[in-house]
Amino acid sequence: QKEVEQDPGPLSVPEGAIVSLNCTYSNSAFQYFMWYRQYSRKGPELLMYTYSSGNKEDGRFTAQVDKSSKYISLFIRDSQPSDSATYLCAIHTGTASKLTFGTGTRLQVTL
Amino acid sequence: DTAVSQTPKYLVTQMGNDKSIKCEQNLGHDTMYWYKQDSKKFLKIMFSYNNKELIINETVPNRFSPKSPDKAHLNLHINSLELGDSAVYFCASSQGQAGNTIYFGEGSWLTVV
Repeated sequence: QKEVEQDPGPLSVPEGAIVSLNCTYSNSAFQYFMWYRQYSRKGPELLMYTYSSGNKEDGRFTAQVDKSSKYISLFIRDSQPSDSATYLCAIHTGTASKLTFGTGTRLQVTL
Repeated sequence: DTAVSQTPKYLVTQMGNDKSIKCEQNLGHDTMYWYKQDSKKFLKIMFSYNNKELIINETVPNRFSPKSPDKAHLNLHINSLELGDSAVYFCASSQGQAGNTIYFGEGSWLTVV
């Protein structure tokens, strides 16, 4: 079993839709939870970063962590074509300089 | 200004050759990384250096040798390239190791033919 599981998609939604992206993880030692966005032919860029269970909001993006279920989510409201990218969840124990990534979900927002 | 820059961006080379990818960060960070992203987009750490010292060395063939001449640079040298080495290699950096934001470069696309 992989440490971090993520549906690879692709996920296609119309502009304006609410998008839900999810990851599950197996190691309860994970403490830091991140979402990266990767455009085609580019490096991953940090989108959201949370430490505790609960919700964190930043503009149209909301990151949600449920440590009891080992489940993290990223919600995108009012999705735009510019949101079309691969979204990677990344999880960190906090004791080593190592991120464990999910496989990424490819999102396509259509006009 | 590019925070984490790596060169070359694209590299096509024959099996058996030796090649290097260079990385520099101007963020003042003390920790640098090399990640490999395969054809299925799976991103996996290869090496991590803190203040020029190797702190993470995942299960990577000995043909891969990182070198950090100073805190701002981490180069990756690959000997005797194989077809399976074809991937995108990302350099990254962070300040410290515990839970801090990791910034990635744009990637180096390596194709071995």
